[in-house]
Amino acid sequence: NAGVTQTPKFRILKIGQSMTLQCAQDMNHNYMYWYRQDPGMGLKLIYYSVGAGITDKGEVPNGYNVSRSTTEDFPLRLELAAPSQTSVYFCASSARGGEGGNTIYFGEGSWLTVV
Amino acid sequence: DAKTTQPTSMDCAEGRAANLPCNHSTISGNEYVYWYRQIHSQGPQYIIHGLKNNETNEMASLIITEDRKSSTLILPHATLRDTAVYYCIVRVPPSAGGTSYGKLTFGQGTILTVHP
Repeated sequence: NAGVTQTPKFRILKIGQSMTLQCAQDMNHNYMYWYRQDPGMGLKLIYYSVGAGITDKGEVPNGYNVSRSTTEDFPLRLELAAPSQTSVYFCASSARGGEGGNTIYFGEGSWLTVV
Repeated sequence: DAKTTQPTSMDCAEGRAANLPCNHSTISGNEYVYWYRQIHSQGPQYIIHGLKNNETNEMASLIITEDRKSSTLILPHATLRDTAVYYCIVRVPPSAGGTSYGKLTFGQGTILTVHP
C-alpha cells in the first residue's frame, strides 16, 4: 500500500516557468489537499478537493491551479513561477465517511526552488 | 476552525515521559483534537486523535479535559527519535458536513527536543 505518492521530490524552476506537482493516493479517499510549508513555518492550505470534479480554494491559492479528474489523482499546477513559491509542498488525503474523525495521510513532500 | 495554543518549545530527557500541552478554548462540540508530528521537514505523521474521551495507542496517549478546552499529548518513554515539531490541531471531520471539509489548520507547533 503506497499511501500518498508525490512527484517530483525535488525541482528547480526558473522565474516564469510552469510545472505540475503530481499527487496520487491508492486508498480510495474522497478528500485530497495541497499544503505548502515555508521554512520554519506551519503548513498552509492551498487547495482541496472533496471528490472527482470538485475543488475549492484554501488559504493561499494565488498562483496555483488544481484539477481532480479521478479519485486517485490531484495535481497542483504552478503557472508563471515566482520566488515566493519556493517552498515544500505536501499532498494529503482523507476518507469522507465514518465516525471517529478520519485520519489525514500526508505524502513525503516536494521541494520546489524558484530562481 | 478553533485555534490552538502550544508552547513554542520543550525539552525532555530520554526515557522520561514527554507531556505536551495544548489549549483549544474555542473548540466546538463536533471538533476532534488531532496530534501530528513532523521530523526534519518530512510529511506530517499522524499520532493520535480524540473527541472527548482519553485515547491511547502504540505511540502515545491523549488526555482531554472534561470541558474539552485543553489537552495533553503524552509520549510515555521519549527517545531521541521523538525529537520533532508536534502540532495540536482541532478538526471537523468530513463526515460532520459543513464547509471545513475536514481540512487541518496548522499552527506553529511545539518543538520537542529529547536529549540524552
